[in-house]
Amino acid sequence: NAGVTQTPKFQVLKTGQSMTLQCAQDMNHEYMSWYRQDPGMGLRLIHYSVGAGITDQGEVPNGYNVSRSTTEDFPLRLLSAAPSQTSVYFCASSYSDFTEAFFGQGTRLTVV
Amino acid sequence: AQTVTQSQPEMSVQEAETVTLSCTYDTSESDYYLFWYKQPPSRQMILVIRQEAYKQQNATENRFSVNFQKAAKSFSLKISDSQLGDAAMYFCAYRSPQINTGNQFYFGTGTSLTVIP
Repeated sequence: NAGVTQTPKFQVLKTGQSMTLQCAQDMNHEYMSWYRQDPGMGLRLIHYSVGAGITDQGEVPNGYNVSRSTTEDFPLRLLSAAPSQTSVYFCASSYSDFTEAFFGQGTRLTVV
Repeated sequence: AQTVTQSQPEMSVQEAETVTLSCTYDTSESDYYLFWYKQPPSRQMILVIRQEAYKQQNATENRFSVNFQKAAKSFSLKISDSQLGDAAMYFCAYRSPQINTGNQFYFGTGTSLTVIP
């Protein structure tokens, strides 16, 4: 099992560019989510999904878009990158109950 | 929304000694799960231990144990016989039972643990 696969691991963008962070899981988890990690702020929820075709906003959704067309994939789109989006991004998945979240390896994104 | 507070941004411990990391949370829910995650310099988030709120018995995983005080809304992590490989950022997390928000996770801001040889 690959678990949660997140790509790329590193990315540098120019202000205004768009890009998609990819996330795939092979554990048949219903719940998938995206977080950003900033120093001193822990992990903050951007968007989440409770199943294919169902997405919702988290704590910090502005500037990001998601879709969930399959159970396995949950891409995160940055529409027009801004320096404030410089962060480490994590994708996570879990069953829709009280089990733990499984995380991807993270993407370090720098917007210049 | 629930909040998770880790009041110790940094901690240090001598190798082979014991250290306790603190975590408190705020909730009005009666049933929930609590977790501790470890994030080493590799950035990977690794589950250390979990606790079900309905269980009074504190969870234990080898050298890691928790002190779960439900009434006080406290969930501390004790690391015994600390090893150099324990050096990492540790995050406390709360998982809500609210299905309409996808049983959302809430994370604390983390405690950076240094292990001194």
